[in-house]
Amino acid sequence: DAGVIQSPRHEVTEMGQEVTLRCKPISGHNSLFWYRQTMMRGLELLIYFNNNVPIDDSGMPEDRFSAKMPNASFSTLKIQPSEPRDSAVYFCASTTLNTGELFFGEGSRLTVL
Amino acid sequence: EDQVTQSPEALRLQEGESSSLNCSYTVSGLRGLFWYRQDPGKGPEFLFTLYSAGEEKEKERLKATLTKKESFLHITAPKPEDSATYLCAVSPAGSARQLTFGSGTQLTVLP
Repeated sequence: DAGVIQSPRHEVTEMGQEVTLRCKPISGHNSLFWYRQTMMRGLELLIYFNNNVPIDDSGMPEDRFSAKMPNASFSTLKIQPSEPRDSAVYFCASTTLNTGELFFGEGSRLTVL
Repeated sequence: EDQVTQSPEALRLQEGESSSLNCSYTVSGLRGLFWYRQDPGKGPEFLFTLYSAGEEKEKERLKATLTKKESFLHITAPKPEDSATYLCAVSPAGSARQLTFGSGTQLTVLP
């Protein structure tokens, strides 16, 4: 099993630029989550999908953030425009509807200058 | 609001020196309490799920226990490879799959 695959692993960009993070969940998993991790705030849930449908996006910090899941094997998290305070590690995780254990990807480390 | 507090923030042990990590939680009905391990530069890795007070789970040198207000992760005779950050998370009843994470305990086991 390849696990949850995220890209890019590292992204350095300048303030105001658009950033797109990508995630491929584990095959057969029907729930997908986007988390953000910082030293100050720890792991925060941004949004999650069940069967490709966004269920709760209350953790999305601002309208600058958007997430899509066009099919069961792909999701994107977009930040436009990016700001320095968006610098963090963004994790994608997937699971099945019948279990609570999340399988995390290795994360995308974003630095906004 | 659901709250998870982990202590200590950091713990240094000598190899073979057993200890416990604490996770205190406040949640409006508990669906499950989860322990994860996170290595530097990696995503959290699932360890255990506990569902009800009194439940215990074991894996190698780790044992997780649960009461109505807290969970402990006991580490028996730790080895340097147990060094990692250990995260606790809770899922409230009726919340589907949402998890609220604690800030973690960074464990260092010295050889």
